[in-house]
This record gives sequence, structure tokens and C-alpha cells, in this order.
Amino acid sequence: GESVGLHLPTLSVQEGDNSIINCAYSNSASDYFIWYKQESGKGPQFIIDIRSNMDKRQGQRVTVLLNKTVKHLSLQIAATQPGDSAVYFCAEKAGGYQKVTFGTGTKLQVIP
Amino acid sequence: NAGVMQNPRHLVRRRGQEARLRCSPMKGHSHVYWYRQLPEEGLKFMVYLQKENIIDESGMPKERFSAEFPKEGPSILRIQQVVRGDSAAYFCASSPKGDEQFFGPGTRLTVL
Repeated sequence: GESVGLHLPTLSVQEGDNSIINCAYSNSASDYFIWYKQESGKGPQFIIDIRSNMDKRQGQRVTVLLNKTVKHLSLQIAATQPGDSAVYFCAEKAGGYQKVTFGTGTKLQVIP
Repeated sequence: NAGVMQNPRHLVRRRGQEARLRCSPMKGHSHVYWYRQLPEEGLKFMVYLQKENIIDESGMPKERFSAEFPKEGPSILRIQQVVRGDSAAYFCASSPKGDEQFFGPGTRLTVL
């Protein structure tokens, strides 16, 4: 859904631990989901995507889980590194419609 | 293959002036999207264009804002008679034809 003007929730993790970032999406018709990473002063960077006909997809050190029943998406980062510190956004798209709707975002802070 | 390019990276305008933001999509990409981001918030969709056509401008204010993507040259987001509330980061993304959007580094507009 639309983000609101609130401070970003922050997740602090120790270097080397696993991180789990959660996202609730709003549109039951959404069939494509993307996780983006945004570092300070930069544009969003694609991390991983998943279609609604899947419930899990793995990349390099990252895994996305999709639960359509409760409209929930999560991003798992294994062995979190200082370079993972950034704001992470989930985004959704419905059908062939090109518009991407971004979630509020979560700030990940990695403690060395 | 160069990524999405935006210029200027930083733009300062006084109230009432015009702001012109440029976006050069990746080579071979004919789809361009503009998003706006306020501090500590997610990106909000503004407009989606293909060459010479506006496909979806549902996120763009009806007044003062316009966008174009001519046959030759970059896409332009134009804001007339800027107000302080227009201060934000404006991101452009491009896509070859489908799901994955590649983002530029953004233009940070400050209205004095």
C-alpha cells in the first residue's frame, strides 16, 4: 500500500547473523513482488523478485518468502555484512500493469 | 551498457521557478517511469511513459507537473512554479518491456 510519513522501522543485527525483513502488501491482485535495496544517496537497487505462483525463491545470500494467504513477504539475508546496511523496500505489481507500488521500507543497521 | 542516467543530480530552485529533470534510460529500454521520494519514505509512482506516449500519469499532480519521453533524447519531468513542498528526490527507472525496472541515481530537488 501507500507509505505514510513515519520514521522508518529499524532492524539492527550483528555482523554474521541472519536478517529477516518483513513486508505486508495490500493488493490481493498483485502477482509480482520485488525487493529493493537503497543505500544513502542512491537509487533503489534490485535484489530479488518472486511471482505469485511461487512461495520461495533463493538468490546469493538472500531468500524471499511469499505467503499469499496473509499477504506477507519476507526477505532473509544470510550472514549479514556491513555492506548490507541500507533501507530495504518491498514492491508489488498487479497483472500486466506496469505501476510498481512500494512499501514503507525498513532500515537495516549492521553492527560490526 | 551504461545504467540509467539522471541529471542534474542536485537542483536548487527558488519558489516560482521551473525545474527540469532529465532521465536517459538504459540502451534498448523504451519504458520510463518517474517516482518521487520524500525523506524516510518509500518511492511513490508518478508517471509511466513509452516513447512519445504517456501510458499512466495517475500519480502525477494535475497542475504544474508534466512529463515527456520524445522519440529522440531523454525523458523530461518538468515542474512549473515550484513550491517548497516539491522538494524531494525524483527517481527515474527504465525497463526493456516488462517487470524489472532499473533505477537511476535520482535528482534531489531543493526549493528555497
